[in-house]
Amino acid sequence: DTAVSQTPKYLVTQMGNDKSIKCEQNLGHDTMYWYKQDSKKFLKIMFSYNNKELIINETVPNRFSPKSPDKAHLNLHINSLELGDSAVYFCASSRQGRGITDTQYFGPGTRLTVL
Amino acid sequence: TQLLEQSPQFLSIQEGENLTVYCNSSSVFSSLQWYRQEPGEGPVLLVTVVTGGEVKKLKRLTFQFGDARKDSSLHITAAQPGDTGLYLCAGALAGGTSYGKLTFGQGTILTVHP
Repeated sequence: DTAVSQTPKYLVTQMGNDKSIKCEQNLGHDTMYWYKQDSKKFLKIMFSYNNKELIINETVPNRFSPKSPDKAHLNLHINSLELGDSAVYFCASSRQGRGITDTQYFGPGTRLTVL
Repeated sequence: TQLLEQSPQFLSIQEGENLTVYCNSSSVFSSLQWYRQEPGEGPVLLVTVVTGGEVKKLKRLTFQFGDARKDSSLHITAAQPGDTGLYLCAGALAGGTSYGKLTFGQGTILTVHP
């Protein structure tokens, strides 16, 4: 069984469209994250939810809106897509999110290409 | 300016060689982690170090946390083609209020040629 899964794996879309990426974890973790990895492989946190509550909200355009219907799911909705949104988006989860040694488990990533 | 400066960005070596990747900062971290990422997959945690001066070994990989908890290194002995991948350091800032927030270095793409 996949611990952290994301759909879709690949997403190709036109500028201006709205799209969503879904993430699910079956590890029973309380905390989930969204990261963006750019073309230079730099990984940067975007959002984090703990038990459906938003706890980290980095400087991300408000076109990006995370939604956590329950603690096993964290979806990312992006409005009015721009060329600069092209990247690989990773979902991750961790047991608590509070411990300094908490391990984050990453999903396989969603490669978003905006044309 | 990156909070965590990772070097080198690229490393191409022959099988059997040794290598070291560095992760440096002017900030103090509560913990520092090293991840490995293969193409088309997410990062996978290799190790977490939390105590200044701590050294951890994972087979041919040796990880060290600086005494002042501002830097870390990853040393691979007798590299093998299977070690090829992207290595990322990530730290949790000391005194940080946003728990779970990791700051990543730029990554090191390692290629080990047979």
